[in-house]
Amino acid sequence: GDSVTQTEGQVALSEEDFLTIHCNYSASGYPALFWYVQYPGEGPQFLFRASRDKEKGSSRGFEATYNKETTSFHLQKASVQESDSAVYYCALIASSSFSKLVFGQGTSLSVVP
Amino acid sequence: DPKIIQKPKYLVAVTGSEKILICEQYLGHNAMYWYRQSAKKPLEFMFSYSYQKLMDNQTASSRFQPQSSKKNHLDLQITALKPDDSATYFCAIGGQSQNTLYFGAGTRLSVL
Repeated sequence: GDSVTQTEGQVALSEEDFLTIHCNYSASGYPALFWYVQYPGEGPQFLFRASRDKEKGSSRGFEATYNKETTSFHLQKASVQESDSAVYYCALIASSSFSKLVFGQGTSLSVVP
Repeated sequence: DPKIIQKPKYLVAVTGSEKILICEQYLGHNAMYWYRQSAKKPLEFMFSYSYQKLMDNQTASSRFQPQSSKKNHLDLQITALKPDDSATYFCAIGGQSQNTLYFGAGTRLSVL
């Protein structure tokens, strides 16, 4: 079945550090790829998406590029802030499914001043 | 104002009882979903509905029954509750044409 793997379970950074969270997927065809962010006590919030090979999605300084060759959609941010502390989820919707989001395990990001 | 309303925010139930989780949306989307998040598993798809009809069901147990009485409602009835049902249940909206899902704040269920 379709799946998403996030390598890092937890990431701890200082403000202004560079962030990378690795995301690899397994699905046939061209799934749509997403990043969501979840703050404590809230539902996941849509960050951005990409639907085609080499397409870049971005929002709030975060970005990721769809790479079909490496089946990856790594999240990056050049300079993190304390307010970026949250759980980040990579997800996909397979082209054959009715908008069924498949989530990765999530990566907890902690940014200290 | 939130456009996806989930009620209640917190719910405590005893084993064997029945509860209904409410979801209402005011964004005019025709597709609605339920997801579950527990300490053991990440966000897990349960059901999808479109125009009040079931599109996909990934829930193994018949104890979980979605109910769509109105176009903008998708409630979740859970019967014979078990401690393993303890989780946060999220309602989401979206659609194939937009291909992006938006989530409510969730109902946190604890089964004792």
